[in-house]
Amino acid sequence: ILNVEQSPQSLHVQEGDSTNFTCSFPSSNFYALHWYRWETAKSPEALFVMTLNGDEKKKGRISATLNTKEGYSYLYIKGSQPEDSATYLCAFTDGGSQGNLIFGKGTKLSVKP
Amino acid sequence: DAGITQSPRHKVTETGTPVTLRCHQTENHRYMYWYRQDPGHGLRLIHYSYGVKDTDKGEVSDGYSVSRSKTEDFLLTLESATSSQTSVYFCAISDGVGVEAFFGQGTRLTVV
Repeated sequence: ILNVEQSPQSLHVQEGDSTNFTCSFPSSNFYALHWYRWETAKSPEALFVMTLNGDEKKKGRISATLNTKEGYSYLYIKGSQPEDSATYLCAFTDGGSQGNLIFGKGTKLSVKP
Repeated sequence: DAGITQSPRHKVTETGTPVTLRCHQTENHRYMYWYRQDPGHGLRLIHYSYGVKDTDKGEVSDGYSVSRSKTEDFLLTLESATSSQTSVYFCAISDGVGVEAFFGQGTRLTVV
């Protein structure tokens, strides 16, 4: 069973704080690493997909990095806003599969005004 | 929004009855996935499909079967529903490996 771990499980920050989360995944047989944002009562929406070691992606105040050799990815949010409150999920595709997409349990972010 | 529809959106069924959930897409995407969402577990992959009639098991496939006879439809069947299968089920589609996935709105299934 592939293990995708996310930390912390939850995070409470003040508006304006910058924050980051970690996703750990098997470093062998890597194919792709995804980040999704999941708001309550909605469906997950993709933020980034990364496939190469050293990849860095950015969308507005949110950015992500990837280290496939050591098996981790970071998601950063600069200057958190209340609307950033959501659960952030990472997902891993194993290169030995036919295209699976295995999710971690997520990091729940709450941003207080 | 990606053209992905799950049906039914809500269902209550009795233990021991068969149940089929449908995921329908209009995007012609090759990959389709079924997940269940449970408190404390996040999204767990049940089965996925990488083409018509091509499927593979996920993390929690016991008690579930799937079929994909055409590109647009991916069916999830609970052969004999149990209370432990009470959950919210999400379907997702993707145009390729290493490409973002799009999710349906979810189906809330209650087995009583």
